[in-house]
Amino acid sequence: DVKVTQSSRYLVKRTGEKVFLECVQDMDHENMFWYRQDPGLGLRLIYFSYDVKMKEKGDIPEGYSVSREKKERFSLILESASTNQTSMYLCASSPPTWRRGDYGYTFGSGTRLTVV
Amino acid sequence: DAKTTQPNSMESNEEEPVHLPCNHSTISGTDYIHWYRQLPSQGPEYVIHGLTSNVNNRMASLAIAEDRKSSTLILHRATLRDAAVYYCILRDVRDDKIIFGKGTRLHILP
Repeated sequence: DVKVTQSSRYLVKRTGEKVFLECVQDMDHENMFWYRQDPGLGLRLIYFSYDVKMKEKGDIPEGYSVSREKKERFSLILESASTNQTSMYLCASSPPTWRRGDYGYTFGSGTRLTVV
Repeated sequence: DAKTTQPNSMESNEEEPVHLPCNHSTISGTDYIHWYRQLPSQGPEYVIHGLTSNVNNRMASLAIAEDRKSSTLILHRATLRDAAVYYCILRDVRDDKIIFGKGTRLHILP
């Protein structure tokens, strides 16, 4: 089974801290994604990456950056955490659509981040 | 991005079939129809996808209208574990990202 592992299930950080959320997948997928999920707003795409060293902005990239130094790892960085970044963060991976077969996304279990 | 429209919530009785509708009237020829579900306190889970023909897998069936402007996810025999939010999504083959809508919250009554 494909596994997407997020390093922390729950995280509490202080305003102004630099926060790293780590995501690792074990199926050699090219694509990786970061979403945040908030009540009433659903899942919103923050950043995604089609390959190592590549990154693309999603719908709400402000206040975030990402790093993809290795294919299996995609890190989300909150440069200076703020209370409005309190949320559930979900990482996902998928093979590219040009690869035949099932190319659904596989999600991690999420990291619930609280910024105080 | 092409949009989908789903009912906010639905109810069904345990052990009965469930038909979850989705409208996507602006679908383009390069859009695949994907369904995901999200169980409480978990990340979304892929359920099924299709392009033009109806699809079956171990989790569900996907019925796609001939004009592709709507589709229906069918759970053949609902269990309490199927209570979740179900998302209908269009994924363009030219663009690997997917954008989630609000989904349908499915309640299963024992």
